[in-house]
Amino acid sequence: EVQLVESGGGLVQPGGSLRVSCAASGFTFSSYEMNWVRQAPGKGLEWVSYISSSGSTIYYADSVKGRFTISRDNAKNSLYLQMNSLRAEDTAVYYCARDLGSTSCYFDYWGQGTLVTVSS
Amino acid sequence: SSELTQDPAVSVALGQTVRITCQGESLRSYYASWYQQKPGQAPILVIYGKNNRPSGIPDRFSGSSSGNTASLTITGAQAEDEADYYCNSRDSSGNHLGVFGGGTKLTVL
Repeated sequence: EVQLVESGGGLVQPGGSLRVSCAASGFTFSSYEMNWVRQAPGKGLEWVSYISSSGSTIYYADSVKGRFTISRDNAKNSLYLQMNSLRAEDTAVYYCARDLGSTSCYFDYWGQGTLVTVSS
Repeated sequence: SSELTQDPAVSVALGQTVRITCQGESLRSYYASWYQQKPGQAPILVIYGKNNRPSGIPDRFSGSSSGNTASLTITGAQAEDEADYYCNSRDSSGNHLGVFGGGTKLTVL
């Protein structure tokens, strides 16, 4: 059974940093592209970042470029999102999502999400 | 603002057919995917590509596309289909960035 479990969310002050993680199981993690998607309270979904299966190709939404860093450790079946210079508008549930891998976006499995709150 | 546009809310009578649409220039180049999200839950993929359903998704869900518009159709809507629905695709910049529509709240009457 495919499972994605996020962790590492919490309360952080504006300007602070936080790293969220996603532990994958039930599939060959190293064969899949992965993404982070977030959802602010009461709002819609927002794509955040993409990483290829090897980690060699990475993309970011303009809203987080220069502040967030996506990475993965295929030996540990884990995906990460390092978030720096956090702002109140980064407050959201952060989901990791497996990508079916095509020219478009097809996210076939999602984790349950981890809540990041940026507030003083 | 989103590059994919959805109606904020749609309603359908129980057992009837409803179509939820998503408009955007990137849909001329990329297929959309559709996600169902119920309160307090993670999204679930219901349609992807030309018209593909993941395992476990009922066949009352179908997808289509024409020009800059993608559509999700539910034929014979059930009470459990009441949820938020989001479309998703690449953005129109050609830079492999993802983009979601603003979401459509489906109410089953």
